[in-house]
Amino acid sequence: GENVEQHPSTLSVQEGDSAVIKCTYSDSASNYFPWYKQELGKRPQLIIDIRSNVGEKKDQRIAVTLNKTAKHFSLHITETQPEDSAVYFCAASKAGGGADGLTFGKGTHLIIQP
Amino acid sequence: NAGVTQTPKFRVLKTGQSMTLLCAQDMNHEYMYWYRQDPGMGLRLIHYSVGEGTTAKGEVPDGYNVSRLKKQNFLLGLESAAPSQTSVYFCASRSGGLRLYEQYFGPGTRLTVT
Repeated sequence: GENVEQHPSTLSVQEGDSAVIKCTYSDSASNYFPWYKQELGKRPQLIIDIRSNVGEKKDQRIAVTLNKTAKHFSLHITETQPEDSAVYFCAASKAGGGADGLTFGKGTHLIIQP
Repeated sequence: NAGVTQTPKFRVLKTGQSMTLLCAQDMNHEYMYWYRQDPGMGLRLIHYSVGEGTTAKGEVPDGYNVSRLKKQNFLLGLESAAPSQTSVYFCASRSGGLRLYEQYFGPGTRLTVT
C-alpha cells in the first residue's frame, strides 16, 4: 500500500519568515495530494491540494509543489503569521480508484515565534 | 447545512464493552470514511464506503465493523473495546462526482477505553 513520509516533525520559524514542509510518497499511481491544517482539538481542514497533472499551485500565501518523478511534494507558507501555528498533514490517494481513502503523513507541528 | 456531524463527541468505555459511533452528512456525498488519530500519528483509514450498502476495509480494520444502510449515515462499531482502541475517531465524506476529491471531516469523537 501507499506510504507517506513527512518532514520535519516540528518546525519553528520567526513571524514573517517562510516555512517549508516536505513529503514523499511510495505509490506512483497516487494522483491527489492534499494538505490539511489541524488546530488543537479541532478537525482537519483542507488548505490546498494538487493533482498529478499539475506541478505547482498557489493560493495567496500558501503554495504546493509536486515532483512526480521523485515522488515528493512540498507545502510552502510565506509571510508566516501567528495564526499559522498548527499541525499540518500531507496526504496522498489514488482519487477515483477503488481504495481512495487518504494515506496521511505523521504531521508537522509548525510554531510561529513572535 | 450542517456538513458532517458525529455522535457522540466523547465516550469512556470499559474493556470488553461495545458501542457504535454515528457519522451523518447532509451533502448527498457518495463516499464516506472512518479514520482514527493517535498522538504523534497522522490519521489512519479504518473502513470506507463508496455508496449505500457497500463497505470496504482500510489500513487498520481489525476490531471494527461498519454499516452504511442509508446514504447519509456511516456507522462504526466496536464489538469488544480494547485499550488499544483509545483514540480520536474522525469521519469524512466526499462527493462521488468526477474530479471532486476533497474530503470533508466531522468534528471527531474522543474515545477512551479503560
